[in-house]
Amino acid sequence: SQQGEEDPQALSIQEGENATMNCSYKTSINNLQWYRQNSGRGLVHLILIRSNEREKHSGRLRVTLDTSKKSSSLLITASRAADTASYFCATAAAGGTSYGKLTFGQGTILTVHP
Amino acid sequence: DTAVSQTPKYLVTQMGNDKSIKCEQNLGHDTMYWYKQDSKKFLKIMFSYNNKELIINETVPNRFSPKSPDKAHLNLHINSLELGDSAVYFCASKSGGGQETQYFGPGTRLLVL
Repeated sequence: SQQGEEDPQALSIQEGENATMNCSYKTSINNLQWYRQNSGRGLVHLILIRSNEREKHSGRLRVTLDTSKKSSSLLITASRAADTASYFCATAAAGGTSYGKLTFGQGTILTVHP
Repeated sequence: DTAVSQTPKYLVTQMGNDKSIKCEQNLGHDTMYWYKQDSKKFLKIMFSYNNKELIINETVPNRFSPKSPDKAHLNLHINSLELGDSAVYFCASKSGGGQETQYFGPGTRLLVL
């Protein structure tokens, strides 16, 4: 089974609403990252949270991490149509020399309707 | 200026052919990666090079051979292409010194007919 499973698989909301996406993983991590992928484009890094952190903010983004439950959530507040994209969580394993190897979840497709 | 660039952007080819995808980064990063994203958008790491040295080699058929002529370039050569190789291939790079963020290229959309 794969690391990093996300839910929901798809989320459709109206502009101005908040969007929450969840990610679960299976092994111990060094950090967890969230990336956005616009249709037909590459991934763009949004935010990184380390295993010893519980919450992090960046603009309209808020990420939480619960290492006891091996889960993370990404909250986008006051969503905009431009936030429409796929969102992926990615984990970097703890210990050893991973050389930054990231294991990605399958992503949440977010659609924000104007 | 494009930080991580890939060529070609689209590649349509016949089964059995050999093709190469090129990647270049102008960020001065030490580590580069190849990922494969399938039709269900699942993204999986294939290879990684650090300063021209192969450091990650996942379970990938040996028809796939990465080559890093210098630390700014990481190319991917695929022999005897199969239908199942159809996917989007992303190159990414990361600096050293404890930085964890990866910077992705725009992707190469490979379709094998």
